Amino acid sequence: GNSVTQMEGPVTLSEEAFLTINCTYTATGYPSLFWYVQYPGEGLQLLLKATKADDKGSNKGFEATYRKETTSFHLEKGSVQVSDSAVYFCALTPYSSASKIIFGSGTRLSIRP
Amino acid sequence: DGGITQSPKYLFRKEGQNVTLSCEQNLNHDAMYWYRQDPGQGLRLIYYSQIVNDFQKGDIAEGYSVSREKKESFPLTVTSAQKNPTAFYLCASSPYSGTGVVQESPDSYTFGSGTRLTVV
Repeated sequence: GNSVTQMEGPVTLSEEAFLTINCTYTATGYPSLFWYVQYPGEGLQLLLKATKADDKGSNKGFEATYRKETTSFHLEKGSVQVSDSAVYFCALTPYSSASKIIFGSGTRLSIRP
Repeated sequence: DGGITQSPKYLFRKEGQNVTLSCEQNLNHDAMYWYRQDPGQGLRLIYYSQIVNDFQKGDIAEGYSVSREKKESFPLTVTSAQKNPTAFYLCASSPYSGTGVVQESPDSYTFGSGTRLTVV
């Protein structure tokens, strides 16, 4: 079946550190891949997406590259800020039209000043 | 500004009681969804609705009920049959593709800020 696996949190970093949050997936065909962010007390917001192999999604300094050979979509940022503290969800929609969004379990990120 | 409003933010329920969570949107979206979020787990789909007066079960519909009498509103009732209702509940909406298939690309989803339900 289709599934998404994220690294467990919480992840705690100092400001300006390099961030990687790992995400791997299992899916048939060619899914679309997404990262969502949930700031404290708010709903989920789409952060970035990639719809085919080797695509790179980017937004607000975050990047993720769709790697079909390793079935991965790791989220990276070169220099994190305190304002990046949030919960990050990796997600996919399978290729079929009868798809539903499948979310990973979420990774809580805390940035120390 | 358009968006989705969920209320209340925090809700406490006694054993054996039904409670209803509100979800209202002013985005003119046709499709609406309810998800449940548990600690350490992803979001799981409870129910969704593509058009008014129609809705479908998601992956974990047992113990829940919904209605869709108006396009703007999609309330979720957590019934006494739901054995473990303590969770965070998120409502979402998206435009309807018009092709008979719900537009399910996550680009098009707008989420509410959630309701945290606790059984006491």
